[in-house]
Amino acid sequence: NAGVTQTPKFRVLKTGQSMTLLCAQDMNHEYMYWYRQDPGMGLRLIHYSVGEGTTAKGEVPDGYNVSRLKKQNFLLGLESAAPSQTSVYFCASSYERGGLGNEQFFGPGTRLTVL
Amino acid sequence: GESVGLHLPTLSVQEGDNSIINCAYSNSASDYFIWYKQESGKGPQFIIDIRSNMDKRQGQRVTVLLNKTVKHLSLQIAATQPGDSAVYFCAERRDPGQAGTALIFGKGTTLSVSS
Repeated sequence: NAGVTQTPKFRVLKTGQSMTLLCAQDMNHEYMYWYRQDPGMGLRLIHYSVGEGTTAKGEVPDGYNVSRLKKQNFLLGLESAAPSQTSVYFCASSYERGGLGNEQFFGPGTRLTVL
Repeated sequence: GESVGLHLPTLSVQEGDNSIINCAYSNSASDYFIWYKQESGKGPQFIIDIRSNMDKRQGQRVTVLLNKTVKHLSLQIAATQPGDSAVYFCAERRDPGQAGTALIFGKGTTLSVSS
């Protein structure tokens, strides 16, 4: 199993450009998440999904959109990139067992720079 | 602001020593807690989890302690090795009963292990 994969690994954008980050998981997880990680800030939740066709806002959703058309994929879109969106983006997935073992599995991250 | 936080941003230990990384949380309704390890340039990696109805849980070389009275979580690493050098995050789930609800992460403690 590849686990959680993210595409691309690195990207540089100019202010105002758009792009889509792709996350894929092969563990048949129901739940998927997008986080951003900034220096000294830990991970902050952008959007998440509790199933195919459903999405919800997290802690810092402004400037981002998401889609979950297929269970295994979760897309994060930036319609008009801003320098404040320079960050490392992590995708994660999980399933609920109702006890222990509900951890989220993370991808390797996408490093995005907006000039 | 952050309500899942760590007492110390950095911790330096000698190889072979035991390490203790602390975390405070503010929501007494949180029901699930996870410790993650993040190495440079990689996504967070699951270490161990614990539910709110537990006080202690042990894994391989790691122990997590939960003190609900003072809302404190700690990760103990026995016989710390250079490979344990990384940033350690605690995370809590604040919406009990809602499967797939995202985690709230602390800012992280950087553990440095010297030989």
